[in-house]
Amino acid sequence: GAGVSQSPSNKVTEKGKDVELRCDPISGHTALYWYRQSLGQGLEFLIYFQGNSAPDKSGLPSDRFSAERTGGSVSTLTIQRTQQEDSAVYLCASSRAGGSLHTFGSGTRLTVV
Amino acid sequence: GESVGLHLPTLSVQEGDNSIINCAYSNSASDYFIWYKQESGKGPQFIIDIRSNMDKRQGQRVTVLLNKTVKHLSLQIAATQPGDSAVYFCAENVGNQGGKLIFGQGTELSVKP
Repeated sequence: GAGVSQSPSNKVTEKGKDVELRCDPISGHTALYWYRQSLGQGLEFLIYFQGNSAPDKSGLPSDRFSAERTGGSVSTLTIQRTQQEDSAVYLCASSRAGGSLHTFGSGTRLTVV
Repeated sequence: GESVGLHLPTLSVQEGDNSIINCAYSNSASDYFIWYKQESGKGPQFIIDIRSNMDKRQGQRVTVLLNKTVKHLSLQIAATQPGDSAVYFCAENVGNQGGKLIFGQGTELSVKP
């Protein structure tokens, strides 16, 4: 597509439930990134995909967080057994192969109540 | 003026004045730097980038300066406009660690008409 698309834009979930966040990158961008942004903070790296493989998962905060990418395109970030501290905006970005100039989506605002 | 603490540093300027936003980056091995602008409820938007083999780069109304000796980056905005009000982030990429970006804390720019 023309830009990076994320869905849903807002998600409210109860503590303990699982959530899935979706990212559709720019067509032709082989690299895809997930970041988390807490209120009033900078962006915290979570995971990076090159094609369908994830060479860097170092930012995932716990084993409750996982992500996958299929067909070198859409990615899903899954948070299991959500906790209140998971409340944040989750941002997805994509870039061309070999580059790190990110184009970001508008994010998913996750609220755990 | 600026305030630093639990809240984002804030820079308040008069419309038409020049703005300078500063950033200290963390890794001396970083070789690519980007400034992003983030408006409320949106994802970060690219402003300008610079590689480590340069010390200055100019765009339309914006200039980025890089001082590798002290690991300092600055963004200068000429003739600041109300539409420039946003949070500005610097980001660095360490070339041998894939495409992920490390983001600074951010500075909130407020432009008074």
